[in-house]
Amino acid sequence: AQSVTQPDIHITVSEGASLELRCNYSYGATPYLFWYVQSPGQGLQLLLKYFSGDTLVQGIKGFEAEFKRSQSSFNLRKPSVHWSDAAEYFCAVGRFSGGYNKLIFGAGTRLAVHP
Amino acid sequence: DGGITQSPKYLFRKEGQNVTLSCEQNLNHDAMYWYRQDPGQGLRLIYYSQIVNDFQKGDIAEGYSVSREKKESFPLTVTSAQKNPTAFYLCASIPAGVYGYTFGSGTRLTVV
Repeated sequence: AQSVTQPDIHITVSEGASLELRCNYSYGATPYLFWYVQSPGQGLQLLLKYFSGDTLVQGIKGFEAEFKRSQSSFNLRKPSVHWSDAAEYFCAVGRFSGGYNKLIFGAGTRLAVHP
Repeated sequence: DGGITQSPKYLFRKEGQNVTLSCEQNLNHDAMYWYRQDPGQGLRLIYYSQIVNDFQKGDIAEGYSVSREKKESFPLTVTSAQKNPTAFYLCASIPAGVYGYTFGSGTRLTVV
């Protein structure tokens, strides 16, 4: 069965430091992969997505992610974190089943940013 | 501006009561989805619909019901059979054949 694992429940970084959030997936075929961000009490906003092609994907707000098939990973990175990046981040894999496109989400990583 | 509107933002339910959460989109998207979010568990799929008058159960459909009478509307009813309904509920939609959802801003349901 398809699944997504985000190994880190909470991460704290200092403002200006680099960031890497980990995501591992289990999926038989070529995956469609996504990163979403959620501010408290809000819906989810799409940061970036990977469907095919270049394995380094650029997203909004200065984020990027790298797809590594050999490691079944799709880690999210940002070179310099801003206080406004504090939020919860979700990795997801797309699944096509019964004529429907569905997303399977990881449990999320909550990011705190120290000034 | 196009988007997904969920209402109300906060909802309180008494034991044994049914409540309905509204989800409306003006994006002309075909597929709509309901997810439940609990702390530390990510998002779990409740129901989804590809077209009007058709919908499918997700992973945790027990205690919930939906309807899709109009393309733009996909209301979720939390019935008294749902024993632990306190959660944050998110509605999402996508055009046909596309991955990557657009999400509403959510409804927080609390049992009192």
